Amino acid sequence: EAGVTQFPSHSVIEKGQTVTLRCDPISGHDNLYWYRRVMGKEIKFLLHFVKESKQDESGMPNNRFLAERTGGTYSTLKVQPAELEDSGVYFCASSPWTAQETQYFGPGTRLLVL
Amino acid sequence: GENVEQHPSTLSVQEGDSAVIKCTYSDSASNYFPWYKQELGKGPQLIIDIRSNVGEKKDQRIAVTLNKTAKHFSLHITETQPEDSAVYFCAASRVSGNTGKLIFGQGTTLQVKP
Repeated sequence: EAGVTQFPSHSVIEKGQTVTLRCDPISGHDNLYWYRRVMGKEIKFLLHFVKESKQDESGMPNNRFLAERTGGTYSTLKVQPAELEDSGVYFCASSPWTAQETQYFGPGTRLLVL
Repeated sequence: GENVEQHPSTLSVQEGDSAVIKCTYSDSASNYFPWYKQELGKGPQLIIDIRSNVGEKKDQRIAVTLNKTAKHFSLHITETQPEDSAVYFCAASRVSGNTGKLIFGQGTTLQVKP
């Protein structure tokens, strides 16, 4: 069974540009989560999808971040326009039927905003 | 707000020694406590978890203890090996229905010296 995959693995952009991160969860997993780790700090929750619906987006930092999960399969996280403080590692995780199941993490996308 | 404190931030042990990492959480309604191991260039991988109706859980060289009254939980690794070197994260979650965001600690960098 393939794990959670994320694309790209690295992205370097300039302040003000737009970046779109993609996450493909484990096939059949209804729950998809986005997290972010900034400069050696803790991993912080951004949002949670159940299928195509946003279940909890309380961790989204501001309206420059837009997450979508059309069709309930893969998800994208767009940052527009990017700021310096958006640099960090963005992780995606998925879990099967309910949120009580183990969350399986992808390898992350390392974003550097210059 | 919800918060998890993790100590120590770095830990260096000799191969064969034990390692202990401690976490304290603030949300008394938390009921699920996973531990993740992150190796260089990879995403966090679940190594063990415990739910609030259990005080201790063991899996080979790894054990986790939970004290709900004191709101703290610990990871114990015995007979450490060089391949145990990684960053370890504790997390707490109030899993209920279809909600399950993880609140992470700051991480502990464990170095096992051969």
